[in-house]
Amino acid sequence: NAGVMQNPRHLVRRRGQEARLRCSPMKGHSHVYWYRQLPEEGLKFMVYLQKENIIDESGMPKERFSAEFPKEGPSILRIQQVVRGDSAAYFCASSLEYSGTEAFFGQGTRLTVV
Amino acid sequence: QQQVKQSPQSLIVQKGGISIINCAYENTAFDYFPWYQQFPGKGPALLIAIRPDVSEKKEGRFTISFNKSAKQFSLHIMDSQPGDSATYFCAAGGSNDYKLSFGAGTTVTVRA
Repeated sequence: NAGVMQNPRHLVRRRGQEARLRCSPMKGHSHVYWYRQLPEEGLKFMVYLQKENIIDESGMPKERFSAEFPKEGPSILRIQQVVRGDSAAYFCASSLEYSGTEAFFGQGTRLTVV
Repeated sequence: QQQVKQSPQSLIVQKGGISIINCAYENTAFDYFPWYQQFPGKGPALLIAIRPDVSEKKEGRFTISFNKSAKQFSLHIMDSQPGDSATYFCAAGGSNDYKLSFGAGTTVTVRA
C-alpha cells in the first residue's frame, strides 16, 4: 500500500509564475490536509479538503493560494504569481477518517522561488 | 500565536545517552499529543502519541511523559543512537479537530 505521494519533490519557479503541487492520498483515504513548513519552523496548517469539498481553508493566505481535491485525481495546491516568501516545503497528509490526528504525511514538495 | 512551544531548539547527545525534548501547550481542548520524526528531505513520520488519560507511554526506546495539570509533555529517547539523529516535532490536536498544531522542532544530533 503506497503512502501519500507528492510531486514534484522539488519545484523551482521564477517570481510571478504559477506553482502547482500535487498530492495523491493513501489508498482509501478521502481526507487531505496541506501544511507548510518554513525553514527552522514547524508545520503550519493551511487547508483541509474532502473529495470535491474544501472544509477549512483558514490557514491559507487569502490571495494567490487555492486548493482542490476533485472526485478523480490528486489534490492540487496552486500558488499563483509566486513571490520569494512562498519558498518553503509543502506537505500533504491524508487520513481515513475525519481526524487530522491520525494523518500520514507525504515527503513534501520543496518550492524555491528565484 | 504559537499554540505549542517546544524546547530546546537543538541538542547534541553522545551515543547511549538520553535525549529529552519538552513541549508545552495552552489549549485545554487538546487531547491528542503525537511526536513526529523527520529526516532531512523527508516528510514527518509519526513516532509515538499519547492521550491525556495516561501519564506515560513507552514504545521501545521512546517514551512520552505527560503532565496534564502543567500542560506539558516530553519525549525521552533512551540509549540514543546515531540513527536517531533527526528533527523531532511535538504536536497537539483535538479528537474533534482535524488540525494539528506543531512545535517548532528540535534537531537532535547523536555523536558516535
